[in-house]
Amino acid sequence: QVQLQESGPGLLKPSETLSLTCSVSGGSISSFYWSWNRQPAGKGLEWIGRIYSSGTTNYNAALKSRVIMSVDTSKNQFSLKLTSVTAADTAVYYCARVSFGKYSNAHFDYWGQGILVTVSS
Amino acid sequence: DIQMTQSPSSLSASVGDRVIITCRASQSISSYLNWYQQKSGKAPKLLISAASNLQSGVPSRFSGSGYGTDFTLTINSLQPEDFATYYCQQSFSATWTFGQGTKVEIK
Repeated sequence: QVQLQESGPGLLKPSETLSLTCSVSGGSISSFYWSWNRQPAGKGLEWIGRIYSSGTTNYNAALKSRVIMSVDTSKNQFSLKLTSVTAADTAVYYCARVSFGKYSNAHFDYWGQGILVTVSS
Repeated sequence: DIQMTQSPSSLSASVGDRVIITCRASQSISSYLNWYQQKSGKAPKLLISAASNLQSGVPSRFSGSGYGTDFTLTINSLQPEDFATYYCQQSFSATWTFGQGTKVEIK
């Protein structure tokens, strides 16, 4: 059973850089896409971006200028950096595995439990 | 970006009811549509992929249909454990997007 676990600081000040890591267990990170999503309290889900195990990335256009994702296959981990954070970046951040099924439709089949990141001065 | 609009935003229903949630895309997304269930304080759980493909372990009272721009999630005979928020999500375009969610509450 694949399991994902987010880790990183839970409190940041405005203008700092958010850095999160997702550790994958129960399966290899290779040959899959991996994604970050976030959810402000009481609101809906927002896709941040995805990374393939080779390092190829695709980012949400709305966040592209501030997002960097990376992967470390030796540690079975992938990471998210979000620069110049503001209060609007306060949210629960989820990492997830992307799978492709029927019609090559991409979907998130495994999720981490989520980590709350608060941006406050 | 492709906008996903769910309706209703919330609904109240009783155990045993049939519930229908709709999701409309701002442009055609073929069958690139997934449904997730999220319970309070938990991560979303994949219910249906590719518009109608029920995931392993998901009860058969859940079903999905649709193509192009209009999709539905149907829950037949609502059970107590089904009270949650449901999200649709498209993976047709380069930027993936979710609907705003539909909260299913107990009447």
